[in-house]
Amino acid sequence: SQQGEEDPQALSIQEGENATMNCSYKTSINNLQWYRQNSGRGLVHLILIRSNEREKHSGRLRVTLDTSKKSSSLLITASRAADTASYFCATVITGGGNKLTFGTGTQLKVEL
Amino acid sequence: SAVISQKPSRDICQRGTSLTIQCQVDSQVTMMFWYRQQPGQSLTLIATANQGSEATYESGFVIDKFPISRPNLTFSTLTVSNMSPEDSSIYLCSVLPAWRERGEQYFGPGTRLTVT
Repeated sequence: SQQGEEDPQALSIQEGENATMNCSYKTSINNLQWYRQNSGRGLVHLILIRSNEREKHSGRLRVTLDTSKKSSSLLITASRAADTASYFCATVITGGGNKLTFGTGTQLKVEL
Repeated sequence: SAVISQKPSRDICQRGTSLTIQCQVDSQVTMMFWYRQQPGQSLTLIATANQGSEATYESGFVIDKFPISRPNLTFSTLTVSNMSPEDSSIYLCSVLPAWRERGEQYFGPGTRLTVT
């Protein structure tokens, strides 16, 4: 079963705008990761944030983590058409070894 | 980085038959996983493929339906047995190389299975 929920389920924006996706989870985690999936293909790892971190940046990506609220957000700045994809958060649960538990995903569409 | 290939990339199968999906990695990795992604859904972990021993299955998945082999550190197969239309999904393998952070996985391109 999914560890968490993501919202929105779908997001449509114009190129150049920022996109924000949110992820909530249920149990204590070791880390939280974000993945991108293009058109039902394999997933690409984007960024990882540890449970003792609050914010992390990678290029146009900014991830925040609030363990007290059991939530995370992914911000993509200055979006491009090539960012169109599904985005999933995934957690490594404390005591869960290396297994990933995925959220429900957000479908992002960036229009020209 | 680890490069992962899967065969076949897609297939259309008749109900009642079985399909074996192969996953090949370009380097030795300790941990390999198999996931299922049903249409429009997120990924669900089927099992952890253990080299030299039986796979570890998640709740709701059983060996008779999804037998897994892991003969060495670079290769694994997943068989979907006695298929029904409900098995129509994308099946993905992933690996966790030793040099990656805990849980941070590389994914194969997936096998899109349609059962008619």
